Amino acid sequence: AQKVTQAQTEISVVEKEDVTLDCVYETRDTTYYLFWYKQPPSGELVFLIRRNSFDEQNEISGRYSWNFQKSTSSFNFTITASQVVDSAVYFCALSETQGGSEKLVFGKGTKLTVNP
Amino acid sequence: NAGVTQTPKFRILKIGQSMTLQCTQDMNHNYMYWYRQDPGMGLKLIYYSVGAGITDKGEVPNGYNVSRSTTEDFPLRLELAAPSQTSVYFCASSYGSPRQHFYEQYFGPGTRLTVT
Repeated sequence: AQKVTQAQTEISVVEKEDVTLDCVYETRDTTYYLFWYKQPPSGELVFLIRRNSFDEQNEISGRYSWNFQKSTSSFNFTITASQVVDSAVYFCALSETQGGSEKLVFGKGTKLTVNP
Repeated sequence: NAGVTQTPKFRILKIGQSMTLQCTQDMNHNYMYWYRQDPGMGLKLIYYSVGAGITDKGEVPNGYNVSRSTTEDFPLRLELAAPSQTSVYFCASSYGSPRQHFYEQYFGPGTRLTVT
């Protein structure tokens, strides 16, 4: 079965620091997708990025960047120059396909607190 | 375009009562999902549907039922509520492709349910 491990339960940084959230996954699928979601204190889940297993290029979107390394089964997320508004729980997720259906397996999340 | 909507936002149930959590999406997505989120535990899949008339169990289906009579609606029924069902419930939807490209899921705002 698929598994996603986010070993960092909580991280606390001071504004403007860079911070990396780790995500390690296990899968037997040859083709799979990885995702990151943000859950701010208001509670909604916000989609951040989708990456398929054939695309190992790193991605940058403003202050956010993602490092996908198939060799270590990791899909880490870095926030550069963190801001208070980045405070949230961040979830990494992995696709699971069974008999044509599509499901997501979520990690337990990393709670990021950015202090002013 | 409202996305995914859920009602109610909050509900308190007594043990043994029943209720239906409503979920509607207006994005014409064929895939819909129900998750529960317990503190520190990430999201766990309760049920999902790949199209109208088709549903399947997820990781934690016991105590719940679903139906999918239309593309837009995917209600979740709790029968004989128990304290273990106290949680935040999220509905999500996604586009499903016959070629198994796994697209991101869009989440509703959640329903906070307390069973006492």
